[in-house]
Amino acid sequence: QKEVEQNSGPLSVPEGAIASLNCTYSDRGSQSFFWYRQYSGKSPELIMSIYSNGDKEDGRFTAQLNKASQYVSLLIRDSQPSDSATYLCAVKIRRSGSGNTGKLIFGQGTTLQVKP
Amino acid sequence: EAQVTQNPRYLITVTGKKLTVTCSQNMNHEYMSWYRQDPGLGLRQIYYSMNVEVTDKGDVPEGYKVSRKEKRNFPLILESPSPNQTSLYFCASASGTATTGELFFGEGSRLTVL
Repeated sequence: QKEVEQNSGPLSVPEGAIASLNCTYSDRGSQSFFWYRQYSGKSPELIMSIYSNGDKEDGRFTAQLNKASQYVSLLIRDSQPSDSATYLCAVKIRRSGSGNTGKLIFGQGTTLQVKP
Repeated sequence: EAQVTQNPRYLITVTGKKLTVTCSQNMNHEYMSWYRQDPGLGLRQIYYSMNVEVTDKGDVPEGYKVSRKEKRNFPLILESPSPNQTSLYFCASASGTATTGELFFGEGSRLTVL
């Protein structure tokens, strides 16, 4: 089982719809979760971080965390063509034998296509 | 402007010819890291540094070296590059140990080893 898993997609949604991106992780002790957006040919950019169960909203983006089920999701409301990108889920897992430093593991990303 | 700067952005080299990819950040971040990104494998950590003179191996350190003599700089050294090191490389930085998931990435360096 991969430490962080995402469906590679592509996920295709029409403009204005809600895009739902999902991510599962294997380390039950993980405490920090992140969503990065990566446009084609560009570097990843942090768009959301979430540390406690529940929802966290930022503009059109909502991150949802369910530690009991070990999944984190990203909802994009009113999707725009400019949201077309690859979305990387990242989870900070415990690094063995090194105290509290943790290790950030990235999923392979889900490609989102928003069609006008 | 807060940024992480990598050089070169593109490089084609031959097997065995030593090269260095530089990384510099202007945000006074303690934490810096190198990743490589390959199709189907995602982002994988090569080395990281928690602060000056403190470096440690990530998941794929073989064939790479790093140094952290100054807080702002974290060069990646390929002593004897091989074709399997052809990849897209990203340098990233973050403030403090508690938020090492909130990374600022450089623009990337695309390396081809022939």
